[in-house]
Amino acid sequence: GQSLEQPSEVTAVEGAIVQINCTYQTSGFYGLSWYQQHDGGAPTFLSYNALDGLEETGRFSSFLSRSDSYGYLLLQELQMKDSASYFCAAMTGGFKTIFGAGTRLFVKA
Amino acid sequence: DGGITQSPKYLFRKEGQNVTLSCEQNLNHDAMYWYRQDPGQGLRLIYYSQIVNDFQKGDIAEGYSVSREKKESFPLTVTSAQKNPTAFYLCASSTGQGKNEQFFGPGTRLTVL
Repeated sequence: GQSLEQPSEVTAVEGAIVQINCTYQTSGFYGLSWYQQHDGGAPTFLSYNALDGLEETGRFSSFLSRSDSYGYLLLQELQMKDSASYFCAAMTGGFKTIFGAGTRLFVKA
Repeated sequence: DGGITQSPKYLFRKEGQNVTLSCEQNLNHDAMYWYRQDPGQGLRLIYYSQIVNDFQKGDIAEGYSVSREKKESFPLTVTSAQKNPTAFYLCASSTGQGKNEQFFGPGTRLTVL
């Protein structure tokens, strides 16, 4: 079957750096996206990697290694408002996207 | 303002009844999606549509039906055949190009009584 694995929870302190890992197993793969979702809200897009390497968008960076079927989201200078769930999502072809179960990030003061 | 809307925000249904969730977008996106999210879970794909009058089953299509008669609209019907329909339902749209960034609506929380 197709699946994406990510840790269920991560805790970090304000101002720190945190990395959320994602490994995927899919029958087709075109790219890996990351979404943020606050409690009760809708997911919002953060970043996308189609090729190996690092993509940087402000305090957020995302990395992909296609040979390892692995990616991560890096959040720097953590703020309290970053407390949310983070989902990795794989584009598997034909517009279809499969989401991981999500990583809940707790940022402590 | 361009965006994607879902209605209603909260919906209660008696067991055995069909119910239709609305999803409308004015972003001129070709692709639209329906996801189900259960507490503490990820998003599971129910149906998706790449173009008007065409749609495909996702991973958990049983007990659901959709239509795509207009580019702007992608309603989801939760039928009585869906055994555990209580969940948070999210609609999304995208251009279907490049990074295929999906824009999500605010969601509908369905509770079956």
